[in-house]
Amino acid sequence: DAGITQSPRHKVTETGTPVTLRCHQTENHRYMYWYRQDPGHGLRLIHYSYGVKDTDKGEVSDGYSVSRSKTEDFLLTLESATSSQTSVYFCAISEWMTGANTGELFFGEGSRLTVL
Amino acid sequence: QKEVEQNSGPLSVPEGAIASLNCTYSDRGSQSFFWYRQYSGKSPELIMFIYSNGDKEDGRFTAQLNKASQYVSLLIRDSQPSDSATYLCAVNFDGANNLFFGTGTRLTVIP
Repeated sequence: DAGITQSPRHKVTETGTPVTLRCHQTENHRYMYWYRQDPGHGLRLIHYSYGVKDTDKGEVSDGYSVSRSKTEDFLLTLESATSSQTSVYFCAISEWMTGANTGELFFGEGSRLTVL
Repeated sequence: QKEVEQNSGPLSVPEGAIASLNCTYSDRGSQSFFWYRQYSGKSPELIMFIYSNGDKEDGRFTAQLNKASQYVSLLIRDSQPSDSATYLCAVNFDGANNLFFGTGTRLTVIP
């Protein structure tokens, strides 16, 4: 199994509070991703990173920020959590993601966030 | 607009039958295609990937790709109850550094 650890695995918080989810990898992969998964929507990309301090937005980035200060860590922050951000959040990593031979994604175990 | 569409199901097949899962995508220039399996409460795991038109077989699984029709499918032969899961189709659209996922098809294999 790919070495990906997400923390916390479960969190309940209140509307308006800040939340940070952490993804840690031991594979030294270049690309790291944050997806959210909701019923009826599938997996949707929030943000991704293609190197230290190199990040880009995904399709549902509003209300989220990310940081990657080290190859192995990718943080997802909700500055002021809302009930619509209640979801399961998955971190994923990939060795490469360009060209015809695109690499696969390896997923962490997920973090279930409930915003009351 | 980058879209990946799957029939959400549920799809029910008897044990030993062939399960057929389908996926269409919006961008004719898409490069690579993936099928992930996700058990309830677990993370997605890769079953197969396919880059070229035609069929690719791996054990009981066959992926089929038709780029002209923008269609990719997954066949599961000799379906087992342990195959009961949600199957996610994912596409790397040309020039993108990530995968776009369909909403998944829930498969139930009935013993």
